[in-house]
Amino acid sequence: EPEVTQTPSHQVTQMGQEVILRCVPISNHLYFYWYRQILGQKVEFLVSFYNNEISEKSEIFDDQFSVERPDGSNFTLKIRSTKLEDSAMYFCASSEIPGGRGTQYFGPGTRLLVL
Amino acid sequence: EDQVTQSPEALRLQEGESSSLNCSYTVSGLRGLFWYRQDPGKGPEFLFTLYSAGEEKEKERLKATLTKKESFLHITAPKPEDSATYLCAVLSGGYQKVTFGTGTKLQVIP
Repeated sequence: EPEVTQTPSHQVTQMGQEVILRCVPISNHLYFYWYRQILGQKVEFLVSFYNNEISEKSEIFDDQFSVERPDGSNFTLKIRSTKLEDSAMYFCASSEIPGGRGTQYFGPGTRLLVL
Repeated sequence: EDQVTQSPEALRLQEGESSSLNCSYTVSGLRGLFWYRQDPGKGPEFLFTLYSAGEEKEKERLKATLTKKESFLHITAPKPEDSATYLCAVLSGGYQKVTFGTGTKLQVIP
């Protein structure tokens, strides 16, 4: 069964450093998303991406964040200058179509720890 | 702004003891309600999508139902392997973001 994959599974970084989280969405999906989950809290939307551009973003997704689809299979989230409060699980998701008819399938996550 | 409230926060059941999890929502134009299962340290695993009031879906011991204000996830004769956090989420309006509830942590005791 096709699945979303993410690398790395764990990332430890120093405050102020840049990190890139990688995702390989399901191959025939066209819509891609990033979410985060701070320990003990709910899953929160960050950004959606379609046709090589951001289609929607939340208030969390400020100038320190960026997303990119560098090739036909990968989808990345870059955090430019990490802060302690960026420590969380980051989930990538993809859907075949957007909206209610397009169920979003999630990857296993990257646990980011900022020291 | 969309709101999703799940109850109870935690539920402990004996193996075989059926129960229901509740998800109440406030949205402007529901386009889809989703149930996911999340194991500790893992990503949400898709279970069901419901689109309109009156709709029901089943998968093994799980059955999801939807009304205009809430959704229920019924668990029939649960087994220990059903222990997980069950997440409810909604998609509404013209948006692509899914809004999640805080989840119900289910523990099934053998």
